[in-house]
Amino acid sequence: SYELTQPPSLSVSPRQTATIACSGNKLGDKFASWYQQKPGQSPVLVMYQNDKRPSGIPERFSGSNSGTTATLTITGTQAVDEADYYCQAWDKSTVVFGGGTKLTVL
Amino acid sequence: QVTLEESGPTLLKPTQTLTLTCTFSGFSLNTNGVGVNWVRQAPGKALEWLTLINWNDDKRYSPSLKSRLTITKDTSKNQVVLIMTNMDPVDTATYFCSRSGFDLVGYYGMDAWGQGTTVTVSS
Repeated sequence: SYELTQPPSLSVSPRQTATIACSGNKLGDKFASWYQQKPGQSPVLVMYQNDKRPSGIPERFSGSNSGTTATLTITGTQAVDEADYYCQAWDKSTVVFGGGTKLTVL
Repeated sequence: QVTLEESGPTLLKPTQTLTLTCTFSGFSLNTNGVGVNWVRQAPGKALEWLTLINWNDDKRYSPSLKSRLTITKDTSKNQVVLIMTNMDPVDTATYFCSRSGFDLVGYYGMDAWGQGTTVTVSS
């Protein structure tokens, strides 16, 4: 079965750039989506079709996808961005989530 | 405004069958390209996709759980129902429903989620 691999954790200082990677076989041939989830809350879509931001998502969030890796970048990370981030893609007509990355802003 | 709300039992015994309902508003499952998913999250664990039903009644299931899952829709009631058989303590999780879909470019992700409902399986 298809797998998406994310680093379990990432720490970044405020105002620095956070880069969250998601790897999978030929992931660049698929569309990647990204979700932000804060403790006790439902996930929120922050990126879709690799690099599109839904309405209401700050411009500091950007995305890319090429080869085997999709990347979510947060430029000028803020304390409010501390959360779990999940990548997601389609494979063989089923949905796959990555294992999630816990982003700590300290 | 798009909203989704999950409802169903909070406690089940092992081997029982789980039936959850997702009641939604602000969109129609008759609309081309739209679908409703079920996603679960065990305590402290990652999101796990379970199943999807599309506007055209096309259904997709997680390969690892396919034998235990059934998804149906009632467009007149704006509801999607998940049935999961033979529940086990490892199925203890928060169960979310979400809207997803396809536009002219492709899949646009799960852009609206319910608040989730917690299901505990214990004898």
